[in-house]
Amino acid sequence: QKEVEQNSGPLSVPEGAIASLNCTYSDRGSQSFFWYRQYSGKSPELIMSIYSNGDKEDGRFTAQLNKASQYVSLLIRDSQPSDSATYLCAVNQGSFGTSYGKLTFGQGTILTVHP
Amino acid sequence: DVKVTQSSRYLVKRTGEKVFLECVQDMDHENMFWYRQDPGLGLRLIYFSYDVKMKEKGDIPEGYSVSREKKERFSLILESASTNQTSMYLCASSTRETQYFGPGTRLLVL
Repeated sequence: QKEVEQNSGPLSVPEGAIASLNCTYSDRGSQSFFWYRQYSGKSPELIMSIYSNGDKEDGRFTAQLNKASQYVSLLIRDSQPSDSATYLCAVNQGSFGTSYGKLTFGQGTILTVHP
Repeated sequence: DVKVTQSSRYLVKRTGEKVFLECVQDMDHENMFWYRQDPGLGLRLIYFSYDVKMKEKGDIPEGYSVSREKKERFSLILESASTNQTSMYLCASSTRETQYFGPGTRLLVL
């Protein structure tokens, strides 16, 4: 069973702090990695994708990928109460030609940013 | 802007009823997916389709079937609804690997 594991949480950080969300995956052949944000009662929305080792920054969000360690993380700088949500890590485990873009999702980490 | 729509936001059905959930995307995506999401269990893939009339089972296909007669439309069918199918159902579409989700249908089976 190919797995994606996230730090269980819930995670609570004060406003303005850095929130760090972590994810590990089991399939070394994985090529594509995604972070989705899901507000309570809403559907997941894509916030970051990363394909190469290293860091990828988008505004207050930074995704980090280390394929050797099979680890992907999401950092949220200057956290705001509006960042309070469940964050889902998703991995495309296998080549696109065989997987048809199927993603395996982690269980999600609930983040609360308190004022 | 990618748009994925689902036929209902909330649905209440009785045990044994046949239930149809519809999903439509307007971006000409090849791939479409049906998930259910339950507390503590995360997102679980029920079925997906990579082309018209093509379908593949996901991780939990039992009790469900799907239909894709047109590229933009992917239907999930609960052949005989049961109480353990009470859940949030999410449809997604993708071209290559980025999946875009619809708003979800919260189904209650009594």
